[in-house]
Amino acid sequence: AQKVTQAQTEISVVEKEDVTLDCVYETRDTTYYLFWYKQPPSGELVFLIRRNSFDEQNEISGRYSWNFQKSTSSFNFTITASQVVDSAVYFCAWTGTASKLTFGTGTRLQVTL
Amino acid sequence: KAGVTQTPRYLIKTRGQQVTLSCSPISGHRSVSWYQQTPGQGLQFLFEYFSETQRNKGNFPGRFSGRQFSNSRSEMNVSTLELGDSALYLCASSNGQVAILDYGYTFGSGTRLTVV
Repeated sequence: AQKVTQAQTEISVVEKEDVTLDCVYETRDTTYYLFWYKQPPSGELVFLIRRNSFDEQNEISGRYSWNFQKSTSSFNFTITASQVVDSAVYFCAWTGTASKLTFGTGTRLQVTL
Repeated sequence: KAGVTQTPRYLIKTRGQQVTLSCSPISGHRSVSWYQQTPGQGLQFLFEYFSETQRNKGNFPGRFSGRQFSNSRSEMNVSTLELGDSALYLCASSNGQVAILDYGYTFGSGTRLTVV
């Protein structure tokens, strides 16, 4: 069965620090998608990035960057120069061809001044 | 384009009652999925509807049911409510086609259900 593990329950950083959120997944599927979502206190899950299993190209988008490594089944997410507005719960998620998301347990990020 | 709309935003029900939640997906999306979020169990998949047919189902009791209408709007129903059904219920809209480049899920703001 597929599984997504976010070992970090909570991370606290001071504004302007860089922070990396870890995600490890388990699957036997060869075709799958990985996602990162942000959940602010309002509750809505905000889409951040999607990667499919055939695209290991890592990407930087503004202050966000992602590191997808199939060899270690990891899909880590880094925020550079964190800001207070980045405070939220971040979820890593997996889906294959069955049209359902399997979520990790989430990492709560607290950014303070 | 308009996002995913879930109504109502908050709901308080009494144990034993039933409840219906509504979700309107993004225009053109044919897939609607439902998820339950609780502090203890996290985010769990309930079911997915695609073109009015249930295409996938999670491990929830039969008290949880849903349907999708021809305009892709979806409703979720929970009968005989239990205290443990208190949760944030999130709806996700998708084009439903895995091979499409922009395949992904857009979530609504959720309905927070409290059972007392």
